[in-house]
Amino acid sequence: DARVTQTPRHKVTEMGQEVTMRCQPILGHNTVFWYRQTMMQGLELLAYFRNRAPLDDSGMPKDRFSAEMPDATLATLKIQPSEPRDSAVYFCASGFIPGELFFGEGSRLTVL
Amino acid sequence: DAKTTQPPSMDCAEGRAANLPCNHSTISGNEYVYWYRQIHSQGPQYIIHGLKNNETNEMASLIITEDRKSSTLILPHATLRDTAVYYCIVRAILNSGYSTLTFGKGTMLLVSP
Repeated sequence: DARVTQTPRHKVTEMGQEVTMRCQPILGHNTVFWYRQTMMQGLELLAYFRNRAPLDDSGMPKDRFSAEMPDATLATLKIQPSEPRDSAVYFCASGFIPGELFFGEGSRLTVL
Repeated sequence: DAKTTQPPSMDCAEGRAANLPCNHSTISGNEYVYWYRQIHSQGPQYIIHGLKNNETNEMASLIITEDRKSSTLILPHATLRDTAVYYCIVRAILNSGYSTLTFGKGTMLLVSP
């Protein structure tokens, strides 16, 4: 079964530390999304890539967040430095336009 | 993307049909209606999407009104495993290929025995 794989599944870190979350999209998919979910804000779009090029990262705090796709099999979301308010579940999704998006199981981040 | 309005919660008895409404009165011609659901602690899961015509797949049916200002997702025989938050999303597919998916608050569907 093809699936979107995210690592780590859980991460606890201290404020100020760098955090890198990784996503392996489903092979062949040309769009990748990063979302963040909190109880207060729900699901928020952070970044959107098509054919590895960033099309929209307006939802990301630019000073501390960065998203890249070094190759077609890997998408990364980096936070440096991390803050307690970054605590959330981060989801990666891949797919085709206009079809369905397949979501990973998420990376739960806790920043102390 | 057009805004959607959904009831915050609904209840359904196991085995009965669950009819989840969605209002999208400002939808425009190039916008599709998508439904996703999120079971607790999991990533969102695609259910179905449509443009104008009603659609059916193995999970659900999507009924879109003729004026496209509202739609209903139908789970024909709800089970306990259908308990989830259901999101109705209106999504534009531009010629450039640009197309995001913006989630609202959704409807929490509770299926009871």
